[in-house]
Amino acid sequence: QSVLTQPPSASGTPGQRVTISCSGGSSNIGINTVNWYQQLPGTAPKLLIYSNDQRPSGVPDRFSGSKSGTSASLAISGLQSEDEADYYCAAWDDSLNGWVFGGGTKLTVL
Amino acid sequence: EVQLVESGGGLVRPGGSLRLSCTVSGFTFSTYSMNWVRQAPGKGLEWVSTISRNSDYIYYADSVRGRFTISRDNAKNSLYLQMNSLRVEDTAVYYCSRDLSLGPPVAFDIWGQGTMVTVSS
Repeated sequence: QSVLTQPPSASGTPGQRVTISCSGGSSNIGINTVNWYQQLPGTAPKLLIYSNDQRPSGVPDRFSGSKSGTSASLAISGLQSEDEADYYCAAWDDSLNGWVFGGGTKLTVL
Repeated sequence: EVQLVESGGGLVRPGGSLRLSCTVSGFTFSTYSMNWVRQAPGKGLEWVSTISRNSDYIYYADSVRGRFTISRDNAKNSLYLQMNSLRVEDTAVYYCSRDLSLGPPVAFDIWGQGTMVTVSS
C-alpha cells in the first residue's frame, strides 16, 4: 500500500490529452512539492516534473504538472505512442522523514 | 557526460550481506545529496535512503532502517549502500540517483541504470 495514491492505469489515443492524479495527505503533498517520474519499459526512471510544475531541460512542454491541497496531477497533451510508460508521483513526507512514491500509473496509448 | 554507474548486485542468501557501489562522473559529486531507490520485480518505486553532501544528514525508509547503511566517499566520487540481514523482500533493482538541488532534497534528477539484488535460498 503506497502512501500516495495513483490510478493503476490510464489510456488515450494519439493526440488526446490525458491526466494522471496523485492523492496524498497533510504530511506530504499538503506541505511539500510533488515530482513526477516517467519510466519507459526496461529503463531507469526519468525526472519529468519537479516542484509541482517545473520541467527539467529537455522535457517537452506537452507535459505539465499541478498541485492543489493534498492532490496533484500530471497532464500530457498531444499524446504520442512514445509516451507509453509507467508514471510515478513522489513527495517528501515530514512525518516519515523520507520520500514517498505513488504506486505508479501505466499509461497505454491506444 | 553526467553518469551514475551502480555495481555490487548479485544473488545472496537470506540473512546475508551485500555492498552496493555507485560511481559518478560528469559533475561535482561532493556538492549534491544522493539517494538509493529500489524497484522489486514488477512493482513500483520505493525510496530506500538519502545522504546529504557532507553526510551530515542521513535518512532511511522504515523497511531498511537498522539493516542498511548509506555512506559516501567524496574523494572517490562514490556512493555506497551496505545491506545486512537481507530478506527475500529486499529483492529488487537498486538505483542510485542524484538530487536536483544543492540544498534541501528536491527531486531525483539523474539516475543510474540499476543493479539487481536477489535474495533467495
